[in-house]
Amino acid sequence: DTGVSQNPRHKITKRGQNVTFRCDPISEHNRLYWYRQTLGQGPEFLTYFQNEAQLEKSRLLSDRFSAERPKGSFSTLEIQRTEQGDSAMYLCASSLVGRVSQPQHFGDGTRLSIL
Amino acid sequence: DQQVKQNSPSLSVQEGRISILNCDYTNSMFDYFLWYKKYPAEGPTFLISISSIKDKNEDGRFTVFLNKSAKHLSLHIVPSQPGDSAVYFCAASEVRGGSYIPTFGRGTSLIVHP
Repeated sequence: DTGVSQNPRHKITKRGQNVTFRCDPISEHNRLYWYRQTLGQGPEFLTYFQNEAQLEKSRLLSDRFSAERPKGSFSTLEIQRTEQGDSAMYLCASSLVGRVSQPQHFGDGTRLSIL
Repeated sequence: DQQVKQNSPSLSVQEGRISILNCDYTNSMFDYFLWYKKYPAEGPTFLISISSIKDKNEDGRFTVFLNKSAKHLSLHIVPSQPGDSAVYFCAASEVRGGSYIPTFGRGTSLIVHP
């Protein structure tokens, strides 16, 4: 069990640049979730995929954010034209489908810093 | 508006004693509840969960209690150990798009003193 893997661990970029993060879920998990966590807050849901289908998006996910999971395995989260307020920890989680109440397993996150 | 509240930002407990972490929620659509533990520089780790059809779930030293009428849940850790020192997040879930989607509280930092 290799766990959920996220790359890169840290990303520092200038305001206005585009950034892309990658998440590799636990291999047998067909659900994948993205969250954002800022200082002093809990994780906030952004979006989730079942296989390659994006089934739910939060209103937090502005049109500068896009997520893909093209082959139902790894996923990418892209932020275009980054803003200071995008500085946060971006967490990915995965779970099994079949039993609705399966807990999610989190990766260690990608910390984004906007200069 | 915070739908899930953890009103104690921190809690300090002596090793061997009981730790009680509390959580309140406002959305009556929540029907699956979880606790996650988080160490620095790591992602949250699932600890224990409870469905709304139950009022208690126990796993070793960890017990979660749910009071639906009060919209309140708590996590009891007994006996507490120094390795339990971490931030604990309460999460309350509702089904959206076919999956339980959790709403997290802000966390409670637990420190267990030897």
